[in-house]
Amino acid sequence: GDSVTQTEGPVTVSESESLIINCTYSATSIAYPNLFWYVRYPGEGLQLLLKVITAGQKGSSRGFEATYNKETTSFHLQKASVQESDSAVYYCALGDLTGNTGKLIFGLGTTLQVQP
Amino acid sequence: AQTIHQWPVAEIKAVGSPLSLGCTIKGKSSPNLYWYWQATGGTLQQLFYSITVGQVESVVQLNLSASRPKDDQFILSTEKLLLSHSGFYLCAWSRDNERLFFGHGTKLSVL
Repeated sequence: GDSVTQTEGPVTVSESESLIINCTYSATSIAYPNLFWYVRYPGEGLQLLLKVITAGQKGSSRGFEATYNKETTSFHLQKASVQESDSAVYYCALGDLTGNTGKLIFGLGTTLQVQP
Repeated sequence: AQTIHQWPVAEIKAVGSPLSLGCTIKGKSSPNLYWYWQATGGTLQQLFYSITVGQVESVVQLNLSASRPKDDQFILSTEKLLLSHSGFYLCAWSRDNERLFFGHGTKLSVL
């Protein structure tokens, strides 16, 4: 079936350190999966961080980057230098939104704690 | 600008009691609407979706029902709560099927 596996949290890093949150996926029923990273900051709703719809492409937002790798079925989230304000829960997801069902398959979420 | 509002923010309910959670979207006509749920320690999973008023499709059977009485309103309900219904409920809408916009969610504790 379709599934997403991501780094188990919590992940704790110090400010200005680099970050990678791993995400791998299995898309057996989705012909052309899109890949997403969503984030939930404390006290806020779940919001889209970045999205990539084509294999081989890279998405970026707020200093975060993720590359859609079809060969390794991965979509790892990286940032060169984290800030305390990046502390949040990060969700990797896959789906195909073109068909109106709006179905996204989410990972369990990774809690990131950035220490000052 | 479009806004999505979920209510209530949190609920503590007894097993066997009824439940009604709501979601309203303003600023977008005829949105596709969705209910997602996350059990404690579990992943977010889609429960229902609706592409038009009066039509709701069920994705997962959890002894819950959903209705869309108005274009901008999506209701999740059950007449009899189970312990397993505890978790975090998220309403979402989509624009042009490119991304989902989520509400702040409702935390439900069933005791």
